[in-house]
Amino acid sequence: EVQLVESGGGLVQPGGSLRLSCVASGFTFSSYWMTWVRQAPGRGLEWVANIKQDGSQKNYGDSVKGRFNISRDNAKNSLYLQMNSLRAEDTAVYYCTRGMTHWGQGTLVSASS
Amino acid sequence: QAVVTQEPSLTVSPGGTVTLTCGSSTGAVTSGHYPYWLQQKPGQAPRTLIFDTNKKHSWTPARFSGSLLEGKAALTLSGAQPEDEAEYYCLLLSGGPWVFGGGTKLTVL
Repeated sequence: EVQLVESGGGLVQPGGSLRLSCVASGFTFSSYWMTWVRQAPGRGLEWVANIKQDGSQKNYGDSVKGRFNISRDNAKNSLYLQMNSLRAEDTAVYYCTRGMTHWGQGTLVSASS
Repeated sequence: QAVVTQEPSLTVSPGGTVTLTCGSSTGAVTSGHYPYWLQQKPGQAPRTLIFDTNKKHSWTPARFSGSLLEGKAALTLSGAQPEDEAEYYCLLLSGGPWVFGGGTKLTVL
């Protein structure tokens, strides 16, 4: 069974940093592109970033480009999202997903003073 | 990065048919945008109903279908059921990044 478990969310002051993790199991992690998607409270889905199987290609949404960095460790079956210069508008539930087919339960990030 | 547009809300009668559309600010939506359609109910994670324009997952009810219609991606629901009331999001490949539409709140009433 495919499982994705996010962690690392929490309360952070605007301008601060946070690192999210997603541990995958039940499939060959190194064979798949992986993606982060977020959803602000009461708002729609926003595509954040994705990363190729070997980490050689990364793409970012305009709102996070230059501030967020996606990475992965295939030996640990783990996906990461390093978030810097956080803003209030980054407050959201962050999901990791494999191909929009399998989703984690999400982790809440709140950027607030 | 493109702006992806969807109808903010639609209403369909039980047993009726409705089409949701998904447009792009960069021009016509094509199969090269690999359109996805996701359904989200309150308190739940999204789930994909349609991918690559018209492909279905094993869990996609037969009453949902995807297509390209007059320069847009389209999701057609034929024979709406009360459990289809939800938010529907389209997702398009926009160069390297992907972009979600703002979502359509579908009411079955």
